[in-house]
Amino acid sequence: AQKVTQAQTEISVVEKEDVTLDCVYETRDTTYYLFWYKQPPSGELVFLIRRNSFDEQNEISGRYSWNFQKSTSSFNFTITASQVVDSAVYFCALSESWARSGGGADGLTFGKGTHLIIQP
Amino acid sequence: DTGVSQNPRHKITKRGQNVTFRCDPISEHNRLYWYRQTLGQGPEFLTYFQNEAQLEKSRLLSDRFSAERPKGSFSTLEIQRTEQGDSAMYLCASIHLTLWINYGYTFGSGTRLTVV
Repeated sequence: AQKVTQAQTEISVVEKEDVTLDCVYETRDTTYYLFWYKQPPSGELVFLIRRNSFDEQNEISGRYSWNFQKSTSSFNFTITASQVVDSAVYFCALSESWARSGGGADGLTFGKGTHLIIQP
Repeated sequence: DTGVSQNPRHKITKRGQNVTFRCDPISEHNRLYWYRQTLGQGPEFLTYFQNEAQLEKSRLLSDRFSAERPKGSFSTLEIQRTEQGDSAMYLCASIHLTLWINYGYTFGSGTRLTVV
């Protein structure tokens, strides 16, 4: 069975500090997809990134970067020079069953989320 | 069309009553998903549709829950004989099967259900 663990329930840092959110996953599939979503207080989940299991290259998008390591089943998310607007709950998610659905689109398994608080 | 729309945003109901939620996905999206999120937890998958066909249902979807997508456009989620444990945020998401690789799942703002 698939599982996503976000061990950090809450992280609080001062603005401009760098912060890393951890994500560890479990899956028996060799082909899968990993996601990060942001959930601000309004409640809507905002898509940040999707990474497939064959692509272990790290990715950078502005102040955001992601480190995918299959050897440790981790997909960590780093925010550089954090800002107050980054305050939100961040979810890591996993999608399996690539072969059955043709693309891993059978639905997501989410972690419990990390509540990130950026203090001014 | 600006995104996935869910109505109502909030619903308070008495235990034992039936409730129905609606989700309007992005118009060209062919897959629609329902999730439930309780306080302090991540969303949990309930079910999904490809066009009008319901392809998968989670074990979380008890007999009191039913979802439909009659014309392959909007979807409804009905909960019969509500219980206090049904109190949660119900989220809808949609994708276009050939475009989702770049855009992921698009989620609505959810319907928050409170059963009193």
